[in-house]
Amino acid sequence: SQTIHQWPATLVQPVGSPLSLECTVEGTSNPNLYWYRQAAGRGLQLLFYSVGIGQISSEVPQNLSASRPQDRQFILSSKKLLLSDSGFYLCAWSVRYSGGEGYTFGSGTRLTVV
Amino acid sequence: KQEVTQIPAALSVPEGENLVLNCSFTDSAIYNLQWFRQDPGKGLTSLLLIQSSQREQTSGRLNASLDKSSGRSTLYIAASQPGDSATYLCAVGAGTASKLTFGTGTRLQVTL
Repeated sequence: SQTIHQWPATLVQPVGSPLSLECTVEGTSNPNLYWYRQAAGRGLQLLFYSVGIGQISSEVPQNLSASRPQDRQFILSSKKLLLSDSGFYLCAWSVRYSGGEGYTFGSGTRLTVV
Repeated sequence: KQEVTQIPAALSVPEGENLVLNCSFTDSAIYNLQWFRQDPGKGLTSLLLIQSSQREQTSGRLNASLDKSSGRSTLYIAASQPGDSATYLCAVGAGTASKLTFGTGTRLQVTL
């Protein structure tokens, strides 16, 4: 069966520090991968998605970047965190080339920038 | 640009009641619609997935319907229980990589 792992679960970082959140998927190949953010009191916003290794699409301009060094690994990064980067970050995957399989989400990382 | 709206924003019902959550979307060119549950501080749990060619899906006490032409979906919860208390999110998948656009959610509280 397919599983998605996301870590760390909780992170407190000072303003200006770097960030690296990792997401890995098991039990599937060639997935679409996604990073979403849920800010306090707001809805889920798509940040990045990837349809293959090294292929990253950004949905909104921001202080963050994403990379996909391996087929089932998706990394969210920042060189210098801002207070506005605080939020709940969720990784998700779906089957590529199909609109009918739906999404599976990880358990999320709660990031607090202080 | 796709917009997804959920009504009501919050709902409190006594245990045992049947209830309906509503979701509407502006662009009917979708691949699928998915209902999720989110407990406080937790990730999203998928409840039901409806393909664009389907009208409804059922899982246990949950039933979701889709009327793509009118841009509407409903989530019906039968015989509600306190354990159903959570935020329910509706999301439509469309476009490149079947990107999901989420509604703002309905916060449900089922009281004893």
